[in-house]
Amino acid sequence: ELKVEQNPLFLSMQEGKNYTIYCNYSTTSDRLYWYRQDPGKSLESLFVLLSNGAVKQEGRLMASLDTKARLSTLHITAAVHDLSATYFCAVDYRPTQGGSEKLVFGKGTKLTVNP
Amino acid sequence: DTGVSQDPRHKITKRGQNVTFRCDPISEHNRLYWYRQTLGQGPEFLTYFQNEAQLEKSRLLSDRFSAERPKGSFSTLEIQRTEQGDSAMYLCASSPSDRSDEQFFGPGTRLTVL
Repeated sequence: ELKVEQNPLFLSMQEGKNYTIYCNYSTTSDRLYWYRQDPGKSLESLFVLLSNGAVKQEGRLMASLDTKARLSTLHITAAVHDLSATYFCAVDYRPTQGGSEKLVFGKGTKLTVNP
Repeated sequence: DTGVSQDPRHKITKRGQNVTFRCDPISEHNRLYWYRQTLGQGPEFLTYFQNEAQLEKSRLLSDRFSAERPKGSFSTLEIQRTEQGDSAMYLCASSPSDRSDEQFFGPGTRLTVL
C-alpha cells in the first residue's frame, strides 16, 4: 500500500526567506501533484509532475520530481504572506493487485509566512 | 462556471439522520471520485466511478455510505444514520478518461454531525 509522507507538517517562515517542502512516497509512481488549500476551501492545483526529472515553476514556487528516489520537492523562493496556506502532495497510485488508480495524499504542510 | 460543483456547501445534521450530497463533474469527464478530508489531514479516497459504473470502494466506506452515478453525469453520496465521526469535508473530483489527466476538485461539502 502506498504511503506518502510530507515534511515538515508545520512551517513558519519570514517574508523574503527560502524554504523547501519534501514529499516522500513508498512505492513506484510516475505521477505526482501538488495542491494548495486555503482554510475552509477546496484544493487548488499547483503542479502536475508526470516524469522523472520533471521541474515546474510558477511564480515563487518550484516543484520537482525524482521517481527513482521517490521524492518530490516544493521550493519556495522569497516567501510572501499570500503564500500562507496548506500544501499537499498527492501521488497517483495503481495497486499491483488490481483496483483502480487513485490519488494518495500526504498530510499536508501548513505554511505560515510572517511579515 | 465550468468547474466541478457540489451541493450543499455546508450541512449540519443531528446524529442518526440521513444526508445526501450531490456532485456535478466537469462536462464530458468520465471519471468521478469522492474523497473525505478530516481536520488536519489530507483527503482520503472513498470511491470511484467510470461513467455510471462504480469501480472501487475504499474500506473507509462503511455500509452506511452509498454512492451512485445513475446516468454517468452527476453523482450522489448518501450517508445513513450519521455518526459524529462522519463530520468531515467531502470532496468530489473529476477527470477525463485519459489516465494522465489530473483530477479537478470541487469546492467540497462540509458536514457537521451534532
